[in-house]
Amino acid sequence: DGGITQSPKYLFRKEGQNVTLSCEQNLNHDAMYWYRQDPGQGLRLIYYSQIVNDFQKGDIAEGYSVSREKKESFPLTVTSAQKNPTAFYLCASSLQGSLSYEQYFGPGTRLTVT
Amino acid sequence: GNSVTQMEGPVTLSEEAFLTINCTYTATGYPSLFWYVQYPGEGLQLLLKATKADDKGSNKGFEATYRKETTSFHLEKGSVQVSDSAVYFCALSGGNQFYFGTGTSLTVIP
Repeated sequence: DGGITQSPKYLFRKEGQNVTLSCEQNLNHDAMYWYRQDPGQGLRLIYYSQIVNDFQKGDIAEGYSVSREKKESFPLTVTSAQKNPTAFYLCASSLQGSLSYEQYFGPGTRLTVT
Repeated sequence: GNSVTQMEGPVTLSEEAFLTINCTYTATGYPSLFWYVQYPGEGLQLLLKATKADDKGSNKGFEATYRKETTSFHLEKGSVQVSDSAVYFCALSGGNQFYFGTGTSLTVIP
């Protein structure tokens, strides 16, 4: 079955540590995205990539970094510079590189930093 | 610029009640419109979509019609079930951007 996988589902880290969230898709989609969701809030775009080896900052990129070395993978690193990293992180992809195409989401990773 | 405004929740309904969740949008050009659903602890799932004016998207008993004259895309279901309890997001795509509403939480009680 085609889809987007995110691992792990739950992640716990100590403050000051960097942590990398995994996102893999086998939909052959060109574009991939990372969103952050806080309780009772909508989605905020962190980073997106429309093509391999290229990515752009979204609305809240500070304290985060990404890479896109392979079409199917778009890992997100939450660095120690991110002031409030505890949140639910959602990865998504879309068929083509334009942000106008419908997006398909993974199951999410809940990160807790103490 | 483009934006989406959806009705604030939370919404609580009894099983078999009629559901409406309002969504209005502001956009230049001809955006596509979507409804996504998020069940507790999960990612978002595409529920339905409409790509041009007067299109009706439908899925699992839910419907929404793309109304250009009122810039609206309200979500409706004739008879909700407990399993419909979730958060619903209206979304718009256009101008190389994708915009989500803030979400409306629905709880259906038996």
